[in-house]
Amino acid sequence: DIVLTQSPNFQSVAPKEKVTITCRASQNIYTSLHWYQQKPGQSPKLLIKYAYQSISGVPSRFTGSGSGTEFTLTINSLEPEDAATYYCHQSRSLPPTFGQGTRVEIK
Amino acid sequence: QVQLVQSGAAVKKPGASVKVSCKTSGYTFTNYDIGWVRQAPGQGLEYLGWISDSNGNTNYAQKFQDRLIMTTDASTTTAYMELSSLRYDDTAVYYCARVFGTDPFDFWGQGTLVTVSS
Repeated sequence: DIVLTQSPNFQSVAPKEKVTITCRASQNIYTSLHWYQQKPGQSPKLLIKYAYQSISGVPSRFTGSGSGTEFTLTINSLEPEDAATYYCHQSRSLPPTFGQGTRVEIK
Repeated sequence: QVQLVQSGAAVKKPGASVKVSCKTSGYTFTNYDIGWVRQAPGQGLEYLGWISDSNGNTNYAQKFQDRLIMTTDASTTTAYMELSSLRYDDTAVYYCARVFGTDPFDFWGQGTLVTVSS
């Protein structure tokens, strides 16, 4: 199975600051990497697909980049409603796997 | 609009089975697959498997292959996930999600809490 490792596990960031979350894959997954946001008590919500493709209705401050084995989710100008746990997910090969999650707290 | 509505919470004893339903609407059921993902309390997301709504083909994660069954009913646009021989560590929120091939899970159900307790 492909292992996805996110860093950091936790980040406390002030509003309007930038957040960067990294996801590293144990093997080449090209751009088959997706990002989700999960708020407490809610289902995950798709933020970015195929490494960098935007999703309709998702604020433009959420951007993705990377390919191969290293990927980044960036939140530009953090808003209070962005407090959540963020997960990466690869769909390159079965079984699909998820990163362990990165919790973002608003300072 | 696309919606996936899951059945309510369940409490089961160890060794029992649980069947969770996922009623879909707002899209052509047979054009997409349904994936199932679970989340233990305070933990991350774990893939269980998926089922093709067009032909019933399934893919199960290896650790669940001997006790997991996924089915669909196109007449009611509903997907089902049945997990048997429940253990305490199966306590989790179980999610269904829409997926197309190797695309990401784009719409999710609200989740169903399954508690395994004696």
